[in-house]
Amino acid sequence: EVQLVQSGAEVKKPGESLKISCKGSGYRFTTSWIGWARQMPGKGLEWMGIIYPGDSDTRYSPSFQGQVTISADKSISTAYLQWTSLQASDTAIYYCARRKPVPGGADYYMDLWGKGTTVTVS
Amino acid sequence: QSALTQPASVSESPGQSITISCAGTSSDVGDYNYVSWYQHHPGNAPKLMIYDVSKRPSGVSTRFSGSKSGNTASLTISGLQAEDEADYYCCSYAGSSTWVFGGGTKLTVL
Repeated sequence: EVQLVQSGAEVKKPGESLKISCKGSGYRFTTSWIGWARQMPGKGLEWMGIIYPGDSDTRYSPSFQGQVTISADKSISTAYLQWTSLQASDTAIYYCARRKPVPGGADYYMDLWGKGTTVTVS
Repeated sequence: QSALTQPASVSESPGQSITISCAGTSSDVGDYNYVSWYQHHPGNAPKLMIYDVSKRPSGVSTRFSGSKSGNTASLTISGLQAEDEADYYCCSYAGSSTWVFGGGTKLTVL
């Protein structure tokens, strides 16, 4: 089954570090971009950034540049989103999503999503 | 990058049609025919409903359609059903492997 499985909910204190994960299965992970989106409580989705696991080419939304780090370990088909010092304002649900792969490249939409990881900072 | 503008909520009766707008700029919606729409039932993974402005993925009901005029995209749902009640997000490619979402619209089927 083609799917993205995200790590479980986290409860952290301000100032702590965190790394959440998104594991792809059922498809060629290395040739499909993986993006991350945030949904703060009662708010909409916000685009954070995207990574190409094949070579770790990473692009960030200007709003999140320097605030988080997106990485990937292609050997275990897993992408990551990490913080070095969490703040209460990082409390949100974080979704990973696959950019639709097409032969020789990628399309311009996300065709597969994870169920989200809830991060609570308090 | 500013979020695309969607109405916060819409409501309509079963069997009726509804259109959700998504206003962007000439740097995103207006510059690319890469608008997608996602249905999100809280607690679940978002589901792709429309891509490339007006294309439907396999398995998505023909009751869902998309369009674009200038800097504004729209999602129309016809023959509303109770199961359509959800949050809907538009998303546009904004260049350089970046995307921007709309603020989301809560659809209530009365």
